[in-house]
Amino acid sequence: EVQLVESGGGLVQPGGSLRLSCAASGFTFGTYEIHWVRQVTGKGLEWVSAIASAGDTYYPVSVKGRFTVSRETAKNSFYLQMNSLTAGDTAVYYCARHRYSYGYDRWGQGTMVTVSS
Amino acid sequence: SYELTQSPAVSVSPGQTASITCSGDKLGDKYVSWYQQKPGQSPVLVIYQDTKRPSGIPERFTGSNSGNTATLTISGTQPMDEADYYCQVWASSTSVFGGGTRLTVL
Repeated sequence: EVQLVESGGGLVQPGGSLRLSCAASGFTFGTYEIHWVRQVTGKGLEWVSAIASAGDTYYPVSVKGRFTVSRETAKNSFYLQMNSLTAGDTAVYYCARHRYSYGYDRWGQGTMVTVSS
Repeated sequence: SYELTQSPAVSVSPGQTASITCSGDKLGDKYVSWYQQKPGQSPVLVIYQDTKRPSGIPERFTGSNSGNTATLTISGTQPMDEADYYCQVWASSTSVFGGGTRLTVL
């Protein structure tokens, strides 16, 4: 069974850093990308990063230079390092499996990040 | 940057047909996916490659995409279909979501 499990969320002060983890199981990473998508409470979905099987990474302008996505292949784990956090980064963060034209076919349960003093 | 526009809300009576639209420049040249999200839950893929349904998604969910508009149609809408719906594309090495449409079944 395909599973994605996020962890690492919590409360962090403005300007601080946090690293989220996504543990993947039940599939071979080779044909998929892993993306991070966030959602502010009561708002829509916002894409924040992607890592392809070849290791290429992608970011929207809103987080480029502050967020870094990486992977640890041996552990089938993916990470989102978030730096210089602001209140605007407060959201539920999901990791999701993606393949071009097939969309996001599996999502994790999400992990909450709160940026507040 | 690429943008997708959705109407904020759609209402439908049980058993009727709901149409949720998503617009973007030359959207018909891209593959559109649709997601359903119920309160407190993670999104669920309901349509990919414009028209295809993943395993387990009821046949009442159909999709189309042409010109500048993609449409998610729910035929015989049931109360359980009440949710937020998002369209999404991969464009120019970025993933773009529409703002979401809240479907109310009443």
